[in-house]
Amino acid sequence: DIQMTQSPSSLSASVGDRVTITCRASQGISNSLAWYQQKPGKAPKLLLYAASRLESGVPSRFSGSGSGTDYTLTISSLQPEDFATYYCQQYKTFGQGTKLEIK
Amino acid sequence: QVQLVQSGAEVKKPGSSVKVSCKASGGTFSSYAISWVRQAPGQGLEWMGGIIPIFGTANYAQKFQGRVTITADESTSTAYMELSSLRSEDTAVYYCARDQEGAVATNWFDPWGQGTLVTVSS
Repeated sequence: DIQMTQSPSSLSASVGDRVTITCRASQGISNSLAWYQQKPGKAPKLLLYAASRLESGVPSRFSGSGSGTDYTLTISSLQPEDFATYYCQQYKTFGQGTKLEIK
Repeated sequence: QVQLVQSGAEVKKPGSSVKVSCKASGGTFSSYAISWVRQAPGQGLEWMGGIIPIFGTANYAQKFQGRVTITADESTSTAYMELSSLRSEDTAVYYCARDQEGAVATNWFDPWGQGTLVTVSS
């Protein structure tokens, strides 16, 4: 199975900051990558799929990029509601998660 | 817009089984796979398996082979996940999620059910 390594595991940032989360696959995954946001006590919410396609209703400050084995989720200007845990996913495998906290 | 509504929280004894349901409404059920994902307290997401209701056969993660059974009832648009031989490490929130049309776990999951907390305790 393909392994997904997500980094960092936690991140402190301030409102208005630009942040980037990385997901690395153990082999090339041809943009077959999704990103989710999860808030405490809630189910994960799909943000992006096919590496860079924004799910309907998701703010445009979220973007995704990458190719081959390396992919990134970028939040261009953090808003208070963005503090949450983020996961990448390739098929049956999820990254370990990145907890984004307020600095 | 598809919605998935799961059954309520369960408390189970070690060695017993639990069956969680996931009822779909508002969209096509039979041709889209339903996957099950669990999340232990404070931990990440773990795929358990999935099923395409119209085909009726399930795929399971190797870790859960022999202990999990995923089924679906097209007449009620409901998927089920049964986990047997429960142990304390199975304490987790169990989610169902709509998968892709015609295939299990080959793309993204959306939407997700609200989650069902299963607590295994003597």
